Amino acid sequence: GNSVTQMEGPVTLSEEAFLTINCTYTATGYPSLFWYVQYPGEGLQLLLKATKADDKGSNKGFEATYRKETTSFHLEKGSVQVSDSAVYFCALRKAAGNKLTFGGGTRVLVKP
Amino acid sequence: GAGVSQSPSNKVTEKGKDVELRCDPISGHTALYWYRQSLGQGLEFLIYFQGNSAPDKSGLPSDRFSAERTGGSVSTLTIQRTQQEDSAVYLCASSLDRSTPTDTQYFGPGTRLTVL
Repeated sequence: GNSVTQMEGPVTLSEEAFLTINCTYTATGYPSLFWYVQYPGEGLQLLLKATKADDKGSNKGFEATYRKETTSFHLEKGSVQVSDSAVYFCALRKAAGNKLTFGGGTRVLVKP
Repeated sequence: GAGVSQSPSNKVTEKGKDVELRCDPISGHTALYWYRQSLGQGLEFLIYFQGNSAPDKSGLPSDRFSAERTGGSVSTLTIQRTQQEDSAVYLCASSLDRSTPTDTQYFGPGTRLTVL
């Protein structure tokens, strides 16, 4: 079946540090890939997405590239801020499917 | 525009009671999803609606769980004879058209259910 594996947290960083959260997936065909973010006390929000190989999703300084050859969709940000402290979820959706399959989430804490 | 709304935001109930959780999707979204977020299991899919029908109920954990959707809009998730393991945050999401690769699910704030 489909699955998503992402690095366990928590990840603790200083402000302006570089952030990488690894995400790999197992799926047949060509799924769409997503990163969702959950800020403290808030609901899940879509951060970025990519729907085919080599696509790069980007938003709010975050980027992730759909790598078919390594079945990965790693999230990166060059300079994090305290406001980026949140839980980040990698997810996939089958090409003709409906449900999202989520990774376990990675908690990120950015300290001033 | 209005996002996905859910009610109640918090629900505390006693073991064995029935509960109903409500979801109002974004207007015009034909697809509606229920997920559950718990400490031990992460984010799990429960059920998917297209219009008023539920072609995928594969995530419902037991026959104590049921859901319906009326008028292609509001959905209710019902849990009968609640158990402590049902304690979780229940999330609803909606999307415009699930058949396109770029279709995006938008989530509500969730209902936190605590079973004592």
